[in-house]
Amino acid sequence: GQQVMQIPQYQHVQEGEDFTTYCNSSTTLSNIQWYKQRPGGHPVFLIQLVKSGEVKKQKRLTFQFGEAKKNSSLHITATQTTDVGTYFCAARAAGNKLTFGGGTRVLVKP
Amino acid sequence: DAGVTQSPTHLIKTRGQHVTLRCSPISGHKSVSWYQQVLGQGPQFIFQYYEKEERGRGNFPDRFSARQFPNYSSELNVNALLLGDSALYLCASIETGGSYGYTFGSGTRLTVV
Repeated sequence: GQQVMQIPQYQHVQEGEDFTTYCNSSTTLSNIQWYKQRPGGHPVFLIQLVKSGEVKKQKRLTFQFGEAKKNSSLHITATQTTDVGTYFCAARAAGNKLTFGGGTRVLVKP
Repeated sequence: DAGVTQSPTHLIKTRGQHVTLRCSPISGHKSVSWYQQVLGQGPQFIFQYYEKEERGRGNFPDRFSARQFPNYSSELNVNALLLGDSALYLCASIETGGSYGYTFGSGTRLTVV
């Protein structure tokens, strides 16, 4: 079945620094979604990417879909303590089934 | 407008017992999905229901079953509980034909002892 891999598994970031997390698939994806889960919380939808090479921005977050639609990335600039949590990418298949990656756990050092 | 609501929030069960988890989707959302999230992992798809019909099933044993009611709320049932069933069970709803993401409930934390 479809598999989605995320790297790194953990990301320790100094407050104010930038970082990027990556999402990779062995198969071409029709779309990719990103979710954020705060510690003890539930996944919260951030964004959906559909087009090859698509780039979307949400304030300090920049999401990109690869040209081959097999990978995606999330770049966060000027990391803040509010960015703490686990970021998941998820491939949305027919029937609205989501296949989640393992997530990148972000810890921010003040 | 209420979001996705799940009950109970926490549950402790003994091996071999049965459990029923409940979910109410966002008003107007007809599609409900269930996910299992084991600690430290991403959510795993269990079921999807739309208009009371099962539209998708993940790689889970037959001990797992679900149904959707005419008001679009849903139940997830798990029989013969195993220790490995301990997880956060998430319910999510999505607007029909929506191009946006799922809205997840806060989940039910199931502990099997």
